[in-house]
Amino acid sequence: GEDVEQSLFLSVREGDSSVINCTYTDSSSTYLYWYKQEPGAGLQLLTYIFSNMDMKQDQRLTVLLNKKDKHLSLRIADTQTGDSAIYFCAGETGANNLFFGTGTRLTVIP
Amino acid sequence: DAMVIQNPRYQVTQFGKPVTLSCSQTLNHNVMYWYQQKSSQAPKLLFHYYDKDFNNEADTPDNFQSRRPNTSFCFLDIRSPGLGDAAMYLCATSRDKGGGGYTFGSGTRLTVV
Repeated sequence: GEDVEQSLFLSVREGDSSVINCTYTDSSSTYLYWYKQEPGAGLQLLTYIFSNMDMKQDQRLTVLLNKKDKHLSLRIADTQTGDSAIYFCAGETGANNLFFGTGTRLTVIP
Repeated sequence: DAMVIQNPRYQVTQFGKPVTLSCSQTLNHNVMYWYQQKSSQAPKLLFHYYDKDFNNEADTPDNFQSRRPNTSFCFLDIRSPGLGDAAMYLCATSRDKGGGGYTFGSGTRLTVV
C-alpha cells in the first residue's frame, strides 16, 4: 500500500499564508487530493491535481506537485479563522482506493 | 442537491450488540466505500462495492460486513462491536475510478459502551 506522510500541526496568523506539506511513496498515483475535515464532520474535497500537472490554482488555494520528490503541498492564501481544521492529503492507487496521510491540524490565530 | 447521506450522525451501541450504519447516495455513482477513522488518525478503507462486486481490504476484521441492496444504499454491519470499534465511519462514493470524483458523507460517530 501507499504511505502518505504529513506534519501533524501548523499554526499561522490570520491573513498570512499557510503551506501544508505531504510526501507520498506510490509514484503511480494518478490523482492527488486535499481534503478538509472540521471537528466532528466528514471530509470535504478542497482540490485535486492530476499527476501530469505541476501546479493548480483555485481561488485562495494553490497546489504544487513535485513528482520527482513525491512531494505535494497546499498553500492557502490570506488564511482565515474558518480555515482552522484538519487537512488530509490523499493519493489514489490503481486499486480504486484513497490512501490518506495522518492529517495536519491547522490552527489560525486571530 | 445530489449528495451522500449517512444515518444516524451519532450511534451508541452496547458491547457485543450488532449495529448497522447506513449510507445513501443520490449521485448514481457506481462505487461506494466505507472508511473507519479512529480519533486523531487518518481514514482507513474497510471495503468497497463496485456496482454489486464486493471488495474487502485484506486487514478488515471479519466482524465488519457490508451490504449493498441497490445502487443507492450501502450498509455497514458490525456483528459484535468491541470498544476498539468506536470510531467515525465515513461513507464515500465515486462514479468510477476516482479522478476527483470522491464524495464523502458527514460520517457516523459510533460509541461502544
